[in-house]
Formats: sequence, structure tokens, C-alpha cells
Amino acid sequence: DVKVTQSSRYLVKRTGEKVFLECVQDMDHENMFWYRQDPGLGLRLIYFSYDVKMKEKGDIPEGYSVSREKKERFSLILESASTNQTSMYLCASSIARQEGAFFGQGTRLTVV
Amino acid sequence: AQSVSQHNHHVILSEAASLELGCNYSYGGTVNLFWYVQYPGQHLQLLLKYFSGDPLVKGIKGFEAEFIKSKFSFNLRKPSVQWSDTAEYFCAVNPPWANNLFFGTGTRLTVIP
Repeated sequence: DVKVTQSSRYLVKRTGEKVFLECVQDMDHENMFWYRQDPGLGLRLIYFSYDVKMKEKGDIPEGYSVSREKKERFSLILESASTNQTSMYLCASSIARQEGAFFGQGTRLTVV
Repeated sequence: AQSVSQHNHHVILSEAASLELGCNYSYGGTVNLFWYVQYPGQHLQLLLKYFSGDPLVKGIKGFEAEFIKSKFSFNLRKPSVQWSDTAEYFCAVNPPWANNLFFGTGTRLTVIP
């Protein structure tokens, strides 16, 4: 089975802190994604990467950046955390468009 | 704007009732379609997918979905729900020009024993 692992299940950070969310997949997938999930809004794409060092903005990239130095690892960075970034963050990976994506368990981030 | 619509926000059913959750999308071209389920406290799991062939697809746990191209719809069905089907269900679409999925807002299903 594909495994997508997110480093933390729960995080509490203070406003203005720099926050790193880490994600690792073990299936050599080319594509990796960061979504945020909010009640009533579904999942919205923040960034995705289709190869090492390659990235594309999603629908809501403002306030975020990403890093993909190795194929298996995709990091989401909140440069200066704000309370409106309190959310559930989901990492996913995929091998091909028609296969869909495999998701990690999510990181629930609270910014206080 | 292009989108994925799930019109039912919260559905409450008794065990053994039949289920149909609606999903409509507005993307043109050849799309790939998915239903995901998120059980309480768990990660998103793929229920079923469609990318070509028979428009009636069967997934895990007795779920099925029908792709109706003319209606831009991909509705999820189950003939007889169980209490363990209580979860949130997300429809997702992969348009031909994208690598990522676009999600609906989700439907929360509560099954009463």
C-alpha cells in the first residue's frame, strides 16, 4: 500500500512563527500536493510539485511556500503564521492522473 | 467559474436505507472522476474512480457510481447503508489540463442504527 506520512498530527504555533509541515511518500510518485481542508469549503489546493525542485501554485498559495529537494519529501512552509491559517493540512501523492491521489492523515494546525 | 458541486451538505439515513449523493462538475473535455471517503479521525481514502469504459463503476464497501456525461454528473450510490458508513464523502474531478484534483465541499453522512 502507498504510504503518505505527515510528520505531525497536531501543531499549535504562535502568530508570526515560521512553520514547517513535512510530508514523505514511499512509492516513488512524481506528483505531490498540499491541500487545506476547512469545514464547508472542502479541500483547496495550496501548491503541488511534479518533480524535484519543481512547484506550481494552486488555488490559495498566498502566505505559503513549498520545498521539494528529494522526490519522496514535500514540505509546506508558512513564512509567518496567521490565525486564518488555522486549518487541517493534507498532503497527497499520485503516480498518474487517472489513479487519483493518496492522502496522509493530515496535520491539524492551530495558530494562536 | 469551473467547479465541483455537491448539493447535499448533510444527509441522515437509517440503517438499510438506500443512499445517493449527487456530484456535478463543470469542466469540459475528458475528465477523471473520484469519490473519496473520510471516516471520523481517519485520512481520506479512495472509494472508487472512473476514467474510461463502463460508466457504472463499483468501488469498495458496496459503493458504486454512475458517470452521466451529458449531465456532467458522477453520483454515488449504495443500496443499503450501514452505521459504519457514517463519514464525510468528497467528490473530486481531475480535468484534462491538470495534474491535481478539484474537490467538492463534501457531504456528511450520518447513519442512525
